[in-house]
Amino acid sequence: TQLLEQSPQFLSIQEGENLTVYCNSSSVFSSLQWYRQEPGEGPVLLVTVVTGGEVKKLKRLTFQFGDARKDSSLHITAAQPGDTGLYLCAGAKTSYDKVIFGPGTSLSVIP
Amino acid sequence: NAGVMQNPRHLVRRRGQEARLRCSPMKGHSHVYWYRQLPEEGLKFMVYLQKENIIDESGMPKERFSAEFPKEGPSILRIQQVVRGDSAAYFCATSEGGYEQYFGPGTRLTVT
Repeated sequence: TQLLEQSPQFLSIQEGENLTVYCNSSSVFSSLQWYRQEPGEGPVLLVTVVTGGEVKKLKRLTFQFGDARKDSSLHITAAQPGDTGLYLCAGAKTSYDKVIFGPGTSLSVIP
Repeated sequence: NAGVMQNPRHLVRRRGQEARLRCSPMKGHSHVYWYRQLPEEGLKFMVYLQKENIIDESGMPKERFSAEFPKEGPSILRIQQVVRGDSAAYFCATSEGGYEQYFGPGTRLTVT
């Protein structure tokens, strides 16, 4: 049973376009993290959100945690080829629980 | 991937051999997590260890797989009598015990 679902699974866009990827669950999480993974490398942590309704910005990336703490979104403005990668969301129910990963959204930004 | 070391980066084993994968945590991190990843897939949790203790091994196959995190030295993921289906990328992540995990570069295991 996949506790975290991500959509879309694959996304291919032109440089300069905006996009949003989603992470959804029927469970409540005390925190959600977003990671980006490039081919042949380990995931790199982008952000952690812990408060329902929280919005965090990291340059062109905007992360939001749903009010009910069951979902999150990642919005990228003016995508660049360097944004290409696998975007993974991950959640934990408590700080002592294992972290559960979603299946990822594979993003390709075409120059 | 700041500071988390994994070795080897690539490992080739024949069916029936043993594979040992090592993970050295970031300085100050006492929590280690192992994950397995197949191509085009997300990360599958295997085991969570804290110095000398296994906290959660619910993602570990019951046979052939074991993990340890001794008081001194790296964490080891051991796969005995490897089969072709064990071919995958294995990542470790470490933390201070909070939500955020920091990943190593992974070990790519190929079983021939």
